[in-house]
Amino acid sequence: SHGLTQPPSVSVSPGQTASITCSGDTLGHKYASWYQQRPGQSPVVVIYQDNQRPSGIPERFSGSKSGNTATLTISGTQTLDEADYYCQTWDSGWVFGGGTKLTVL
Amino acid sequence: EVQLLESGGGLVQPGGSLRLSCAASRFTFSVYAMSWVRQVPGKGPEWVSSLSSSGGSTYYADPVKGRFTISRDNSKNTVYLQMNSLRVEDTAVYYCATWANDAFDVWGQGTLVTVSS
Repeated sequence: SHGLTQPPSVSVSPGQTASITCSGDTLGHKYASWYQQRPGQSPVVVIYQDNQRPSGIPERFSGSKSGNTATLTISGTQTLDEADYYCQTWDSGWVFGGGTKLTVL
Repeated sequence: EVQLLESGGGLVQPGGSLRLSCAASRFTFSVYAMSWVRQVPGKGPEWVSSLSSSGGSTYYADPVKGRFTISRDNSKNTVYLQMNSLRVEDTAVYYCATWANDAFDVWGQGTLVTVSS
C-alpha cells in the first residue's frame, strides 16, 4: 500500500525525549527524511538518509530506522521544538507522512 | 545563505492556467535538481514535480501528470511550473525546493494558488 503513517500528535515535557514514528512499506529499502515545520513557516529538513543531520541542525535531533519504521528522536526537547514533523520517502513518487504535531508542555 | 523565492501565485478560475517561478540565489543553481511541493494549509506536503539539474529529466505526481510542466533556465537561475487545466483541488501553497542527499534540502517561502470560481 502507498503512504506513510505517523501518529497525529506527540506530547513531551521540556527536557525529556520525544520519539515520532513513521511506517511505510518502502521504508525497508528506501531512505527516510524528516522535516520540521513551525506555524507559518516553510518546512526545514532535520534528518536525511535515515540518520544524517544537516549542518545547523542541533545534535539533539537524531534518526533511526528498523524494518519498515523510521523514528525521529529529539533528546532534551526544548519549547522551540514545538512544531509539525513530517517524514518522507520514495513510494512510486516522493511521499510525505500526514504529520505529527509535537507539543512541548 | 541559499535563497529560493517563488512568485506567480494567485486566484484563478477552474480550467485556467498559471505559471509559477522560483528564483534561486547564493548557490550554484545549475548543479541541483529542483522540485515543486505543494501544501494545503493544515495538511501535509505533497510532492508535485521534479527536474534534473540539466533539465533533461522530469518527473510528475499522478494528480498533475499531463496538466503541469516543470522547466528551468539555468542562465536565469530560475525554475518554473506551468499549470494548466487547474482544478479546485490544486489549491495550495506551492513551494520550490532543492533536491540533494535524497531530501528536499532548501525550501522557498511558498506562493499561494487558489482555484475558485
